[in-house]
Amino acid sequence: NAGVTQTPKFQVLKTGQSMTLQCAQDMNHEYMSWYRQDPGMGLRLIHYSVGAGITDQGEVPNGYNVSRSTTEDFPLRLLSAAPSQTSVYFCASSPGSYNEQFFGPGTRLTVL
Amino acid sequence: AQTVTQSQPEMSVQEAETVTLSCTYDTSESNYYLFWYKQPPSRQMILVIRQEAYKQQNATENRFSVNFQKAAKSFSLKISDSQLGDTAMYFCAFMKSLSNSGYALNFGKGTSLLVTP
Repeated sequence: NAGVTQTPKFQVLKTGQSMTLQCAQDMNHEYMSWYRQDPGMGLRLIHYSVGAGITDQGEVPNGYNVSRSTTEDFPLRLLSAAPSQTSVYFCASSPGSYNEQFFGPGTRLTVL
Repeated sequence: AQTVTQSQPEMSVQEAETVTLSCTYDTSESNYYLFWYKQPPSRQMILVIRQEAYKQQNATENRFSVNFQKAAKSFSLKISDSQLGDTAMYFCAFMKSLSNSGYALNFGKGTSLLVTP
């Protein structure tokens, strides 16, 4: 099992550009989520999904879109990048409520 | 609101010694889960230990153990026989329920632990 994979590992964008951060898991987990990590802070939830076709907003959803067409994939889209979105982004998956969340290796995004 | 507080931004311990990292949380729920995650310089988030609130027995995983005080809403992590590889950022997290049958980890700001030779 590869676990949770994220691409790319690093990305630099200019303000206003759009891009998609990819996340995939091969553990057949129903639950997937996106977090961002900023300096001096713990991870904060952006969006989550409890299964294919079902998504919802987390604590900091503004500027981000998600969709979940398959169990395996949960991409995060930045519609118009802003410097405030400079952060490290983590995708996580879990087999169900209150279970361990398995994290991907993260994507470091810089918006100039 | 459910909050997680880690009052020690940085700590240092010598190899083979024992160190305790503090965490307090605030919740009105009666049943919940608490976690400690480790983030080494590689950036990978690694689960260290998990505690279910309805279990009175403190969780233990090899050199890692917790002191869970439910009434005081305290969840400290003890690392025994510290090793150089324990150097990392440690995050305390509370599992909270969300709408739509969702749930998420609510993290503290972390404690940076340095293990010295």
